[in-house]
Parts: sequence; C-alpha cells; structure tokens
Amino acid sequence: EAGVAQSPRYKIIEKRQSVAFWCNPISGHATLYWYQQILGQGPKLLIQFQNNGVVDDSQLPKDRFSAERLKGVDSTLKIQPAKLEDSAVYLCASLHPARGDTQYFGPGTRLLVL
Amino acid sequence: RKEVEQDPGPFNVPEGATVAFNCTYSNSASQSFFWYRQDCRKEPKLLMSVYSSGNEDGRFTAQLNRASQYISLLIRDSKLSDSATYLCVVSHFGNEKLTFGTGTRLTIIP
Repeated sequence: EAGVAQSPRYKIIEKRQSVAFWCNPISGHATLYWYQQILGQGPKLLIQFQNNGVVDDSQLPKDRFSAERLKGVDSTLKIQPAKLEDSAVYLCASLHPARGDTQYFGPGTRLLVL
Repeated sequence: RKEVEQDPGPFNVPEGATVAFNCTYSNSASQSFFWYRQDCRKEPKLLMSVYSSGNEDGRFTAQLNRASQYISLLIRDSKLSDSATYLCVVSHFGNEKLTFGTGTRLTIIP
C-alpha cells in the first residue's frame, strides 16, 4: 500500500515570499491533516479535512496560511507571506477509516525561511 | 499549561538497559492514548496504543493511569535501534484530532 506522499521535500525561501506544499493521502483515507512541527517540538495540528470539507482549522494562522482539498483527495497548504518563524517541517497525515485514531504521516516538507 | 507534557530528555542509556518515560495530560476528557516514535528527520510512526489495562508488545510496555492522568512507556533490553524521539499523544473520544507532546529523545549507547 502506497503511503502518504508529499512534495517538495525541502524548500528554502526568503521572508515575505509565498510557498505551497502538496499532499496526496493514502487511497481511501477520507480524513487529511496538516501539521506544523517546529524543531524540538511535537507536531501541532493546523487543519483537518473530512473529504473536501474543513473539520477543524482553529490553529491555522488564517492571515497567512490557507489550505484546500477541492476534490477530497489531494491537498495543498499555502503560506503567503512567509515569516521567519514559519521555518518548520510541515507534515501531512491521513486517517485509516477502519482504525479510528491511527494516522499515517507523510515524510514532510522541511521549510526554511531566511 | 500544555495539554500533554513530557520530559524532553535527552536520555542516554546503555544498550541492554531498561528505560521508562512518563507523560501527563491535562484534559480529563481525553479517551485515546498513544506512543509514536520519530526517527531523526523522519515522520512520526505509531509505536503502540495505550489501554487502561496496560499493554505489551515485545520489549515495550505501555501503561495508563486515568486517575493521575499519566501515561508511561517502558522499554526493556534496549537496542541501538531504539534510539529515537518518543512522542506521547492523546485524543478525545469521538474526535480524531491528536495532541502531541514535545517528545522525549532517547539515545542508546553501545
């Protein structure tokens, strides 16, 4: 079974620039998550989708972050404009429909904002 | 107060030793508990779920104490390959949102 795919794996940008990340969840996983993991911390949920609808975006900084999952499969997360403190790993995860809380994570996109 | 608190370590433990991690959570409504493992520069992966009755998987034993709101992980006969960061994770009943602790970094020394 193919895992969660993410791209790019690495990205370096300057502050105030824009950046977008892409995620393709495991086939059949209706629930998709984006997490931000800052160095030395655990992952922090940014947004949760159920199919193409947003379930929880309470911790998403909406002034600069946006995410969409238009067809209920792939998802993109965008930051515009980026700040230095956005440097982190952005992890996408999807939820196994028959195993409740078991989330499967992609390899992440490592973002460095200079 | 953070919802999930862990000692960040690092724990440097000789190979073959037993090591234990504890984690506390603040929300008494939390219903599901997990330990995830994260290798350096890799994504988190589920190590084991934690049940009220305790559960064991090979050299790994997880315990949950609801009254005190803490979770533990015990690793026996530690191997070099156990070196990783161990993340304590909780979620609320009926809510698929996971809340992660900061992780405890473990290094097994030959």
